[in-house]
Parts: sequence; structure tokens; C-alpha cells
Amino acid sequence: AQRVTQPEKLLSVFKGAPVELKCNYSYSGSPELFWYVQYSRQRLQLLLRHISRESIKGFTADLNKGETSFHLKKPFAQEEDSAMYYCALSGGTGTASKLTFGTGTRLQVTL
Amino acid sequence: DVKVTQSSRYLVKRTGEKVFLECVQDMDHENMFWYRQDPGLGLRLIYFSYDVKMKEKGDIPEGYSVSREKKERFSLILESASTNQTSMYLCASSSAGYGYTFGSGTRLTVV
Repeated sequence: AQRVTQPEKLLSVFKGAPVELKCNYSYSGSPELFWYVQYSRQRLQLLLRHISRESIKGFTADLNKGETSFHLKKPFAQEEDSAMYYCALSGGTGTASKLTFGTGTRLQVTL
Repeated sequence: DVKVTQSSRYLVKRTGEKVFLECVQDMDHENMFWYRQDPGLGLRLIYFSYDVKMKEKGDIPEGYSVSREKKERFSLILESASTNQTSMYLCASSSAGYGYTFGSGTRLTVV
């Protein structure tokens, strides 16, 4: 079974402070990991995926297979980063491509 | 841009009613999904479909059914609505090798 754990329901940081949203997973095979973001009154949208290894809006995430983690990081938080963040795991392609989501972490960036 | 359209933004239904939630995507995606989103529980998969007339149960299918008669349309059916089905329902579509695209959601209240 595949499982995603986001231990923090709420993370509150000051503007300009570093951000780390934690995500741990369990899966027996080779997973594909994603971060999705939902801004206030907007639809859920893809932020980044581990296979593309890119930085989006200053966020990065590295897949650590040894620690089964995919933490989301940003060196300097901005007010516009305030949103709900979901980590998600896909067990593979084809019929196994369904996503399993974590419970989400609300990031609150304050002045 | 892929568009996933959910027909209703808000719905209020009575206990015992049969409820239809409609979802249409316009990019010829093979895969379509229905999730419910609840605070503290994240997104939980109800049903998904990899092709027309094909459906598979997700993690919480009880009390729900689905229909996919055309590739672009995926309907979620609540056979007899109950108050514990009050939730935000999210539809998504995807194609092999790409992330999900979500609709804006339907907030269903069962009274």
C-alpha cells in the first residue's frame, strides 16, 4: 500500500524566513512524487514533480529514497506563498498512476 | 491549457436524494478521477477511470458510483445522499506521463 505523511497541519513563518514542508512516504517500488498547491479560492495545481528536478516559484524538493522523504523547501518565504500544500505519490504509470495525497500543510507567511 | 470543468460550484441536497456531480475535460485525457477533500484528511480517492466505460474503486467508494460513457465526461453519483457525504468534491484528469489537472471543485452540503 502507498502512504504519504505530512506531519504538520500548519506551518507559520515570517516573511523572508526559510521554509521546509515535510513529506514522508511509504511505497515498496519506485515512486513518483509531487507537490500540489492550493491558493485561496483557486483550484489545486501542480507545483513540482521530482522527476523534472526544477525549481518553481523558488521552491525545490529532493527525493531522498533512503529516508523516504520529499520535503519542500524555499530559502526565503514570501507572503504570496501562503497556501495549502499537498504532497502526493504515484506508484507508476498506466493503471497504477493514481495519486495518493497527504493530509496537507497550511503555510502561513506573516510580516 | 487543459480545462477540467465541474458543472456546479455549490450544491445543497436533502438526505436520501440521488445526486449527480458532473465533470468534463477538453484535452482528450484517458484518465479521470474523483476525490473528496476534507480538512485534516486531505484528498481521498473515490473512483477513477482509465477509459470509456471502465471504472475502478478508489480508497473510499462506499455510497458512490460513477459513469463514464464518453471520454471527456466522468460523473460521480451519490445513490442516496447522507450528511457524512457533505464535502468538497474534486475531479481531475491526466494523461500518461503528466500530472493531474483539477477542476475547481463542487462543495456539496447534504441536509
